[in-house]
Amino acid sequence: KQEVTQIPAALSVPEGENLVLNCSFTDSAIYNLQWFRQDPGKGLTSLLLIQSSQREQTSGRLNASLDKSSGRSTLYIAASQPGDSATYLCAPVNQGGKLIFGQGTELSVKP
Amino acid sequence: GAVVSQHPSWVICKSGTSVKIECRSLDFQATTMFWYRQFPKQSLMLMATSNEGSKATYEQGVEKDKFLINHASLTLSTLTVTSAHPEDSSFYICSAFSDRNEQFFGPGTRLTVL
Repeated sequence: KQEVTQIPAALSVPEGENLVLNCSFTDSAIYNLQWFRQDPGKGLTSLLLIQSSQREQTSGRLNASLDKSSGRSTLYIAASQPGDSATYLCAPVNQGGKLIFGQGTELSVKP
Repeated sequence: GAVVSQHPSWVICKSGTSVKIECRSLDFQATTMFWYRQFPKQSLMLMATSNEGSKATYEQGVEKDKFLINHASLTLSTLTVTSAHPEDSSFYICSAFSDRNEQFFGPGTRLTVL
């Protein structure tokens, strides 16, 4: 059974810092991995999708890496802004399309 | 990215009534949709996989007779919470699986059962 752990559980930083959010998963037989953000009381916004054959994906200030064999993914956020405040969720995906979510990292960026 | 809508966005009902939640993929067809439930301060828990034209597959511990899922078209899946009770109060979120193997989520439906 896939289990996903995200570290840290919460993070509070001043604006402008570069951030690292970690995700580990127990079953490396994944099809791909997605990173999402969730604002309070809202649905999920897809940030990045990394195929299992890829090592990383970039979108603007976000960069996600994937080390499938060791069961790890990392989300880098450059030059953080208050608008980045949200909960960030990592979800490995199996071949049937099932996502298994971690508990998330709650990020607060202070102006 | 692709757009997935949910209706209603929130609903309040009396205990014992049934509530239907709709999930639509607006600009793509989705043979597979998923339903999740999220309690406060917790992560999303997968409830079931909804496949167009066939029966839904439920996760362990999810009562299929209580949470009825219908996926009658490539753009619409519905979740009906039957005989809702206060413990069913939660945030229900659907997602649709695109042909790029990426999942897009709806905005969620907050259900409150009095």
